[in-house]
Amino acid sequence: AQTVTQSQPEMSVQEAETVTLSCTYDTSESDYYLFWYKQPPSRQMILVIRQEAYKQQNATENRFSVNFQKAAKSFSLKISDSQLGDAAMYFCAYRSAGRRVGGSRLTFGEGTQLTVNP
Amino acid sequence: KAGVTQTPRYLIKTRGQQVTLSCSPISGHRSVSWYQQTPGQGLQFLFEYFSETQRNKGNFPGRFSGRQFSNSRSEMNVSTLELGDSALYLCASSLVDSPDYEQYFGPGTRLTVT
Repeated sequence: AQTVTQSQPEMSVQEAETVTLSCTYDTSESDYYLFWYKQPPSRQMILVIRQEAYKQQNATENRFSVNFQKAAKSFSLKISDSQLGDAAMYFCAYRSAGRRVGGSRLTFGEGTQLTVNP
Repeated sequence: KAGVTQTPRYLIKTRGQQVTLSCSPISGHRSVSWYQQTPGQGLQFLFEYFSETQRNKGNFPGRFSGRQFSNSRSEMNVSTLELGDSALYLCASSLVDSPDYEQYFGPGTRLTVT
């Protein structure tokens, strides 16, 4: 079974600065997807960024980028130029790429609560 | 296009009762997944439905069940409620059950069991 671990329960950053959230995972599969989801106080889960394991290039989405280290099974999220609206709970998630094996099932980490200070 | 909707948004039940939660996916989406979110256990996968068939099931007791209708709307049912069933129940939909397709989450149903 796959596991996802986020070792930072809480993080804080000053507005306009950069913060990195950590995530490690464990799997025996070679093909999979990794995601970062954001959950603001409204509780609506929002996809921030995704990474396909077969791609060596790190994914980027505007101010959000990842550092994907497949051998180390590490998947960190970097938020640049942090904004007040970035304050939320961030979840790292794993999804198997095998259609028959995992379907749509996501395995989530424990979450990191990000505070953005003005 | 309307997003994923879940009803009701809030629910209070008594221990021993049963409850049914509803999820309407985005129009055209055929895959629906359910998750339970609690402070202690975090986000845990309950089950997934695709074209009215349960494709995947998480490690939950048989008191938790679900179904999907021909219009892709899904319901989950919890019988004989326990205090530990108090949680936010999230539903997510995607076009098909392929990893290539993004899942969109609903706002959740907050269930409180007293």
